[in-house]
Amino acid sequence: EVQLVESGGGLVQPGGSLRLACAASGFIFSSNWMSWVRQAPGKGLEWVANIKEDGGEMYYVDSVKGRFTISRDNAKNSVYLQMNSLRGEDTAVYYCVFIARGTDIDNWGRGTLVTVSS
Amino acid sequence: DVVMTQSPLSLPVTLGQPASISCRSSQSLVHSDGNTYLNWFQQRPGQSPRRLIYKVSDRDSGVPDRFSGSGSGTDFTLKISRVEAEDVGVYYCMQARQWPWTFGQGTKMEIK
Repeated sequence: EVQLVESGGGLVQPGGSLRLACAASGFIFSSNWMSWVRQAPGKGLEWVANIKEDGGEMYYVDSVKGRFTISRDNAKNSVYLQMNSLRGEDTAVYYCVFIARGTDIDNWGRGTLVTVSS
Repeated sequence: DVVMTQSPLSLPVTLGQPASISCRSSQSLVHSDGNTYLNWFQQRPGQSPRRLIYKVSDRDSGVPDRFSGSGSGTDFTLKISRVEAEDVGVYYCMQARQWPWTFGQGTKMEIK
């Protein structure tokens, strides 16, 4: 059974930093792209970042480019999201996602809440 | 970026009756590999999203066959043949043809 467990969320001041982690199990982590998706309170979904199997390619939505960094440690079956220069509009539940766009693979964590406020 | 536009944004439905949600993309979602990467997601209240449909019309595992997807190019539809109480929630279309992957605004489905 695939499991994705996020951690690292919390309250942070504007301009601050936070590092989210996602521990994955139940599948061959090192052979799959991983993603982060976020959802602001009461709002819709926004795809934040993707990272290739070997970490050699990363993609970011424009609103986080230069501030967020996605990374992975295949030895630890974990993916991370380093968030710097946080803003109020980054307040959201952040989901770790293992999904394949062309096949029957779709798995989401329960999410971790990040609140950016003074 | 590809803009995804859903309609309606609110959908009151009667149990046992059909329902339909439309999604239009600002660009064709046909990829150079020949696939059309249009997905539908469901988010029940208080839950993480889950995908129902990928590549326009392929159902994910465990998705009831009352859910179906159709369309091509820039116009797509999610249909529920007979709405059940567990279908209440918000539905999103999402394109994965090009980065950044983008979602529609969401359609909130409620029982009348």
